[in-house]
Amino acid sequence: QVQLVDSGGGVVQPGRSLSLACVASGFTFSNYGMHWVRQASGQGLEWVAIISHDGRDKYYRDSVNGRFTIARDNSKNTLYLQMTSLRTEDTAIYYCVKDRSTGWYGGLDSWGQGTLVTVSS
Amino acid sequence: DIQMTQSPSSLSASIGDRVTITCRASQAISNYLAWYQQKPGKVPKLLIYAASTLHSGVPSRFSGSGSGTDFTLTISSLQPEDAATYYCQKYNSNLPVTFGQGTRLEIK
Repeated sequence: QVQLVDSGGGVVQPGRSLSLACVASGFTFSNYGMHWVRQASGQGLEWVAIISHDGRDKYYRDSVNGRFTIARDNSKNTLYLQMTSLRTEDTAIYYCVKDRSTGWYGGLDSWGQGTLVTVSS
Repeated sequence: DIQMTQSPSSLSASIGDRVTITCRASQAISNYLAWYQQKPGKVPKLLIYAASTLHSGVPSRFSGSGSGTDFTLTISSLQPEDAATYYCQKYNSNLPVTFGQGTRLEIK
């Protein structure tokens, strides 16, 4: 079955960087768009970024554009999120999520367990 | 950006009740609408995509309808395990992907 294993979260000071990774299994990773979605404690879901199946198309929410970079290595079935210039408002659980389509037009049908990022001095 | 507004923000219903949650888009999104269920401490799960298509393994008491700007999620006969927060999400070609603020459903 589909499995997404998120990792890389931790406690980091404001202004510093952190990298997340998500290892996928149970499906043909290179055929699907992949997202990062985050959720602050007690809050709703917030989409962060999307990368198309082949890595050519990448889009970000405005608040992270220019600070976060989404990437994928289809040979390793792995999704990444490089986060720089972190702010306290980036504190959240970050989920790696699989789209039903090659891009972002299918709905999100599989979610990782999430990895907690805490930005605090 | 297209905004997604859910109503109500919370509700309480009894076992066996028919429950309806609505989601309104600030612009037409055709049927590019999904619904998710998130139980406390758990990962969200896809219930419905394309506004009305039930995702694999989802009980048939869940249904979705709507197109354009107005959508509904209906639970035909509420069960104890349906206590959760429900989110709508639009995913048409106009990014960003956007979620509604969520509807918390409690069992009386």
